[in-house]
Amino acid sequence: GQQVQQSPASLVLQEGENAELQCNFSSTATRLQWFYQRPGGSLVSLLYNPSGTKHTGRLTSTTVTKERRSSLHISSSQTTDSGTYFCAMELPSGSWQLIFGSGTQLTVMP
Amino acid sequence: GALVYQYPRRTICKSGTSMRMECQAVGFQATSVAWYRQSPQKTFELIALSTVNSAIKYEQNFTQEKFPISHPNLSFSSMTVLNAYLEDRGLYLCGASTGDSDYTFGSGTRLLVI
Repeated sequence: GQQVQQSPASLVLQEGENAELQCNFSSTATRLQWFYQRPGGSLVSLLYNPSGTKHTGRLTSTTVTKERRSSLHISSSQTTDSGTYFCAMELPSGSWQLIFGSGTQLTVMP
Repeated sequence: GALVYQYPRRTICKSGTSMRMECQAVGFQATSVAWYRQSPQKTFELIALSTVNSAIKYEQNFTQEKFPISHPNLSFSSMTVLNAYLEDRGLYLCGASTGDSDYTFGSGTRLLVI
């Protein structure tokens, strides 16, 4: 089965609202990284958060390793936040191989 | 900071021909380089993982004969798509890591096959 599951698949918000993206993984992850894919396709690393809570700007990620889940919270969303958000995990085998979820498509309306 | 440059940004090749894409790590040592493909409307599939001084490991459905990869040093990697066909179109990303850090990705090479 799919090792990394993201929800929701898509999300539409009004500008200023908060977004909550979820990531569940089927095995213990040694790395958990959130990415943003721009409409043109390039992938930008947002947060590297294998455990605990991390903040950067309007982004907060909380990873609970024991429960095999991570969330990405976007506060006061802006239209420029629109795009696809991926979480990716690395298996504990030390292979340095990232496995990506299927992504959450976020649309922020003005 | 750590940067990964990937080129070309986009390319068009005729069906049955081959194209090569390159990945350059700047500001860190790319011990591990992973090549991914994002087909239209899909997530990222790992093609292969290359670690310096180790054999390149290909994922199921991807072979060295089709996607030969070179990783000659800690700053450079290249991958060729041989005999490209329609199903090979998509965005190809390289991601590099020191092995102890998170991955840094390039901007991708978008391949269109005609």
